[in-house]
Amino acid sequence: SQTIHQWPATLVQPVGSPLSLECTVEGTSNPNLYWYRQAAGRGLQLLFYSVGIGQISSEVPQNLSASRPQDRQFILSSKKLLLSDSGFYLCAWSVSGTPQFFGPGTRLTVL
Amino acid sequence: AQKVTQAQTEISVVEKEDVTLDCVYETRDTTYYLFWYKQPPSGELVFLIRRNSFDEQNEISGRYSWNFQKSTSSFNFTITASQVVDSAVYFCALTSYSGAGSYQLTFGKGTKLSVIP
Repeated sequence: SQTIHQWPATLVQPVGSPLSLECTVEGTSNPNLYWYRQAAGRGLQLLFYSVGIGQISSEVPQNLSASRPQDRQFILSSKKLLLSDSGFYLCAWSVSGTPQFFGPGTRLTVL
Repeated sequence: AQKVTQAQTEISVVEKEDVTLDCVYETRDTTYYLFWYKQPPSGELVFLIRRNSFDEQNEISGRYSWNFQKSTSSFNFTITASQVVDSAVYFCALTSYSGAGSYQLTFGKGTKLSVIP
């Protein structure tokens, strides 16, 4: 069966510090991978998606970036965090038109 | 452009009451999928159902049922005999094909359901 992992689960970072969130999927090959952000009390915003290694599409211009160094690994990064980057970050995977399945999320607080 | 509207921001019901969560969508695609997800306090989104645009049959799964009406662009979700464990935020979502084999989800803003014992 397929599983999706995210780490860390929680993170508190100062403004201006770098960020690296990791997502890995097990039990499937060549998945589509997604990063979403959910600000407190708000809906989900798609940040990036990837259909293959090295292929990244950005939905919202911002100080975040994403990379896919391996088939089942998706990384969300920032060189300098802003206060507005605080939120709940969710990684998801899917194959073609199947549902997107979500990971447990990372709760990021930028102080 | 795709759009999903969940007009109910918050709903409170007493345990064992039935509750319906509304979802209205907009799309120009003739083929699309609709979804419902549950987000309990832990935060993880749990997939509940997917409905193909060509299949308007209503579906029942235990205490959950879904009513898909293409004529009104609605995909409503009913919980029968609600329980405290149903307390969560529920999201309705719609797919759009973004090219190169990738489908993107457009989410509604969610409905927070509180079931009071």
